[in-house]
This record gives sequence, structure tokens and C-alpha cells, in this order.
Amino acid sequence: GAGVSQSPRYKVTKRGQDVALRCDPISGHVSLYWYRQALGQGPEFLTYFNYEAQQDKSGLPNDRFSAERPEGSISTLTIQRTEQRDSAMYRCASSRGGDNYGYTFGSGTRLTVV
Amino acid sequence: GQSLEQPSEVTAVEGAIVQINCTYQTSGFYGLSWYQQHDGGAPTFLSYNALDGLEETGRFSSFLSRSDSYGYLLLQELQMKDSASYFCAVRAALGDKLIFGTGTRLQVFP
Repeated sequence: GAGVSQSPRYKVTKRGQDVALRCDPISGHVSLYWYRQALGQGPEFLTYFNYEAQQDKSGLPNDRFSAERPEGSISTLTIQRTEQRDSAMYRCASSRGGDNYGYTFGSGTRLTVV
Repeated sequence: GQSLEQPSEVTAVEGAIVQINCTYQTSGFYGLSWYQQHDGGAPTFLSYNALDGLEETGRFSSFLSRSDSYGYLLLQELQMKDSASYFCAVRAALGDKLIFGTGTRLQVFP
């Protein structure tokens, strides 16, 4: 597609429920990144993929968070047993993979856990 | 550990020039990037410096000094639409993810 697409745009869930956030990167982009951004702060790294391989998951806060990109395109970030502290904007970005190429970010998913 | 420091806020008037500084401490270094983010929007890529010196892209320029672990974004001929948050970001290794700073909020006044 023309840009990075994330869905849903907004998600309100009850504490303890599982949520799945979807990211559809720009076609042909090798690398896909997940970030979390609090209001007034910079994006905080969660995990990233090159093709279907998860290269780094060091930013995932705990084992309730997981991500996959099974066919090297669409990715899903899953949060199990959500807690209120998980409420944030979750952003996905993709890039061609070279170091001099910037990231293209999606519009994000605003997650609210009540 | 890795840290990036930027001023939290900068103000300027239309037509002026403003410089946003970024100092970094990282385990490795493979480039400094800058992103712009308007309120309610997504971060958008502005520039990338891998080598020392100045890179110019229209009204925006970005500078890097690897020996000083320092860079800056220079915005010239400021316009109201430049009011946004600006983030520096460092890549610690080849092909690695970006680590973002906390951002500088730029307010441009008429």
C-alpha cells in the first residue's frame, strides 16, 4: 500500500482481556518495527523484524507481549491479560532496510485499558 | 545503557532560524536521524547523518560530530507549520533499530 496501515485505530478493552494490534507495512519494505509512545515522549522501542525473522525483542516489557510477522509482511502485536499500564499509543513503522532510509510510521493504535 | 538528550522546548518567531541540539550516549553508533511529529500525527523522517558534517535538505539542515557525540537540526526561514515536536534518534549498530530521544517541542510565533 501507499503507507503503513495500522488497525484498529482505537481500542478500548477491559483489564485482563487479550488484544491484537495489526500492522500492514509498505509493500516491499524489509524491516518492520513496533514502538510505544506515551504522550509528550519519544517512541519507545518494543521489537523489530527483518522479513519474517524477529531480530530483537529486547524492548518488550514482559512476557505478556509478543509479536509475529509470519509471512514477512503483516505483523501482529499481541498483549495478553492487559493491564491499565499498557494504555498507550502503539506505533508500527517500516523501512527498506538500509541504514540511510528513514522509517515510515503508521497512524498508530490508541489502546486504552479500563 | 543508551541515552539521548534534547531541550524540552524551543520557541521562535516566523522567519527566524532555530537550532535543536542532541547529545547522545550509546554503546555503539551508526548514524543520527531526525524526525518531525505534529500534534496528533505520526513521526515523519527528516534527515540522516552517518558521517561528520552538515547535510542540507531545503530549509532544514542536520549536523553531526561523532567525536563530540553531538548533533543538531537547523531550521531556517521558520514557518508556522514548523511548530511540532522534533526527535533525534540513534542507531547503535548496522541494521539495528532506532533509539529515540524525548523530543523537543518547537513553537513558532507570528
